[in-house]
Formats: sequence, structure tokens, C-alpha cells
Amino acid sequence: DQQVKQNSPSLSVQEGRISILNCDYTNSMFDYFLWYKKYPAEGPTFLISISSIKDKNEDGRFTVFLNKSAKHLSLHIVPSQPGDSAVYFCAASGSYIPTFGRGTSLIVHP
Amino acid sequence: SQTIHQWPATLVQPVGSPLSLECTVEGTSNPNLYWYRQAAGRGLQLLFYSVGIGQISSEVPQNLSASRPQDRQFILSSKKLLLSDSGFYLCAWSWGFGQGASYEQYFGPGTRLTVT
Repeated sequence: DQQVKQNSPSLSVQEGRISILNCDYTNSMFDYFLWYKKYPAEGPTFLISISSIKDKNEDGRFTVFLNKSAKHLSLHIVPSQPGDSAVYFCAASGSYIPTFGRGTSLIVHP
Repeated sequence: SQTIHQWPATLVQPVGSPLSLECTVEGTSNPNLYWYRQAAGRGLQLLFYSVGIGQISSEVPQNLSASRPQDRQFILSSKKLLLSDSGFYLCAWSWGFGQGASYEQYFGPGTRLTVT
């Protein structure tokens, strides 16, 4: 049973527009959430995170929103750039062992 | 600064052969260490994690094993590879407990293993 779900396997966006990647979780014990970005044949790199005591965290073009009542988080990228094209993984943790979603492949068209 | 090394980058092995993948971390001490596998079209599956030398926790029963002979060295092994062991193997580290630990993990470049 997947505790962290990324229901959209892929997303296509035009350069300059907003990209919204979604993630749902089922375990109410998760209290820290992370997004990672992964290029082909490379390891994931940490992008941004949010603690359950917050509902928003912003870092440059990247903003993560957390809706605890809905057990839902989203990553907004504004404006999207072709270099953002990658697979994005959502992860949730209640300890130092995170649970990852299956990823969403983002393609940003020039 | 901290760096993580993982080798080899690619590996092609016949079914039934042994496996040894190595990962080392520099610039930190007593890190938490992890082995993940990403199968084609799948997410990141945690295989093993370690919070200290000689301390290994297995998340998924299989024909793989892990060892941590030194503080910053993590090894993934198998005595006999199966076709289903093919995948992209990733080593990662995070700050250890009591080090102002955070949940962020830092991944190595990965090893593409093909079992033929």
C-alpha cells in the first residue's frame, strides 16, 4: 500500500508558465515533507522541504504548500524553465526513514 | 563540504554472479547511510539503512545484503544475482542523530546494474 502517492506520472508545461506537482499521503504520523529533483542517470537532489507546523515554504522559484487536513502537498515552480525538466519525487517522513512517491516527470517546453 | 562517491557507474553481470557496490562519504562523521533501488518506471525503494558501524537495517527481504565496515563506507553485496536485481542503485547519506540532524538526504550518482 502506497503511503505517498504522486498520481500524475507526467506533466507538460510551457516555458514561463506555472508547474504544479501534487502529492498525497495517508500516514498522519508524517511530519516532514521533501521534494527531490532527478535527472536521468543521476542521483536525486534535494529541492525544498516543509515541516508540518507550516503550510507554505518558498525558495526562489519553488514553493511548497502543505494541506494537512487533506493530507496533500504541492510543489509550484514559477516561472518554469526548460532546465526544470526532470523527475520530481515527493517524500514524507516521521523519522529519518522517508517514504518516497513514484515520481512525476515534468517536461517544460521552450 | 560533504561529498558522496559511488562506484562503479555502470555494471553488467551475468545471472548467478556476485555483486559488490561501494559508497563512501567525505566531510562528515557518523552519517546515516542508505541504499535505494529504482527499478524502471518505479519510485525509490529503500533497501537498507545504517545509523552506525556494523548497524544495518533491512527494509526488503531479498538476496542482497549490506555492510558498514567503516564509519563512512557502505557496501551493497549479493552472492548470486537474479535478473530481477537489475536497476539503478543509489547510495545516500543524511546527518546523523545528535548532529542537528535534518531529514534531507544527499544522494550519490548511482550505479546502473544490468543482470543478463
